[in-house]
Amino acid sequence: EVQVLESGGGLVQPGGSLRLSCAASGFTFSSYAMSWVRQAPGRGLEWVSATSGSGGSTYYADSVKGRFTISRDNSKNTVYLQMNSLRAEDTAVYYCAKLEEVVIRGYGMDVWGQGTTVTVSS
Amino acid sequence: QSVLTQPPSASGTPGQRVTISCSGSSSNIGSNYVYWYQQLPGTAPKLLIYRNNQRPSGVPDRFSGSKSGTSASLAISGLRSEDEADYYCATWDDSLSVWVFGGGTKLTVL
Repeated sequence: EVQVLESGGGLVQPGGSLRLSCAASGFTFSSYAMSWVRQAPGRGLEWVSATSGSGGSTYYADSVKGRFTISRDNSKNTVYLQMNSLRAEDTAVYYCAKLEEVVIRGYGMDVWGQGTTVTVSS
Repeated sequence: QSVLTQPPSASGTPGQRVTISCSGSSSNIGSNYVYWYQQLPGTAPKLLIYRNNQRPSGVPDRFSGSKSGTSASLAISGLRSEDEADYYCATWDDSLSVWVFGGGTKLTVL
C-alpha cells in the first residue's frame, strides 16, 4: 500500500526552528516528486513546497521562501521540511503528499499523509 | 485571496446533482491539469479527480470533473449525506511557478 507518514510537529516559539519528516512506503520513492501542503486552523489548503524525484529541483510558496527548505533522502525514502524563523502565521497542520510524476510542474498530489501539527506560540 | 476562485459554499438534497466551479486564468487552469480534492471533517485531503476528469480507483462514478478554457467544474450526482465535505481544486501556475489551490467549497447535504 502506498503511504506517507509525517512526523516532527510540535510547539515552537516565534523565531524558532523545526524539522518535519515524511516517511514514504509502498512505491519507488525516487521516481516521484514530493510536496508539503499546510492548513491553518479553520482555513483552506495552502501549498508550501515541492521537490522533484532526484531532489535537484525545488519550489516554494512566497510565504515561506528564504525560511523553509525542502530536501529528500532517497536512500531513506524520506522527505524533510526544515522550517526556520517561524512565525505565528505558520501555525497549521502540515501534510506531506506524493505527486503523480517525478517532476513537480503540472502533475498533482495523489497520496496524502495524515498531517502533523505545528504550533508557533510563545 | 486565492489564485483559483471557488464558491465558499454549495448545498443540495439527497439524490440531487450539484456542481462546484473553479475559475482561474490562462497561466494556471488554461494550460495545466486540474485536480480536485475532498476533505471530510477532521481528516486529510483525498484525491477525487486528477488530470481534469480522471477518477482514481475507488472513487464512485457519481463524481466527475471537466475543464473548459480557464475554468473547471466538479459535479456530484446522486448526492449522499457522506458527500458532506470541503472540496478544493488545484493546478500548477506557469507564471508563478507554484501549485495553487482554490479557497475551498463547503458542501452541505440538506
